[in-house]
Amino acid sequence: GDSVTQMEGPVTLSEEAFLTINCTYTATGYPSLFWYVQYPGEGLQLLLKATKADDKGSNKGFEATYRKETTSFHLEKGSVQVSDSAVYFCALRAGGTSYGKLTFGQGTILTVHP
Amino acid sequence: NAGVTQTPKFRVLKTGQSMTLLCAQDMNHEYMYWYRQDPGMGLRLIHYSVGEGTTAKGEVPDGYNVSRLKKQNFLLGLESAAPSQTSVYFCASSYGTGGTYEQYFGPGTRLTVT
Repeated sequence: GDSVTQMEGPVTLSEEAFLTINCTYTATGYPSLFWYVQYPGEGLQLLLKATKADDKGSNKGFEATYRKETTSFHLEKGSVQVSDSAVYFCALRAGGTSYGKLTFGQGTILTVHP
Repeated sequence: NAGVTQTPKFRVLKTGQSMTLLCAQDMNHEYMYWYRQDPGMGLRLIHYSVGEGTTAKGEVPDGYNVSRLKKQNFLLGLESAAPSQTSVYFCASSYGTGGTYEQYFGPGTRLTVT
């Protein structure tokens, strides 16, 4: 079945450091890929997405490129801020799914210190 | 426009008690979902609905029932709560299921079963 694997966390960085959170997936067909962010005490918000191979999703300085050859969708940001502290989830929606089910990774906790 | 709302925000139940979680959305979305979030496991789909009057099982449906009597509401019921159902429950909705359609999440309900 479909699955998403994220790098082990938690991740602790200093402000302005470079961020990478690795995400790899297993899926049949041509999935759409997503990164969701969950701030403390809140629900999940869509951060960025890519719907086909080689697409790059970007938002709020975060980027991720859909790499079909390596089945990866790594999240990057060049300079993190304290306000980026949150839990980040990689997710996929399998191609052809009739009801839009999302399969999530286990989440990566990011803490950014001043 | 409130988006997706969930009631209640917190609840403590004793083993064997029952309760209903309410999800409401004001975006006229066809699709609605219930997920549970457990540490280290990401979010897992419990049940979903593709329209008013329809429901279907997700990957972890045992011990839960759902109803979608009105398009804007999706109810999740626990008939006889068990400690294994201690979790954070998220409702989500989307207009469609294609790659361009985003799932919007509610703020969550934290349930503890003692």
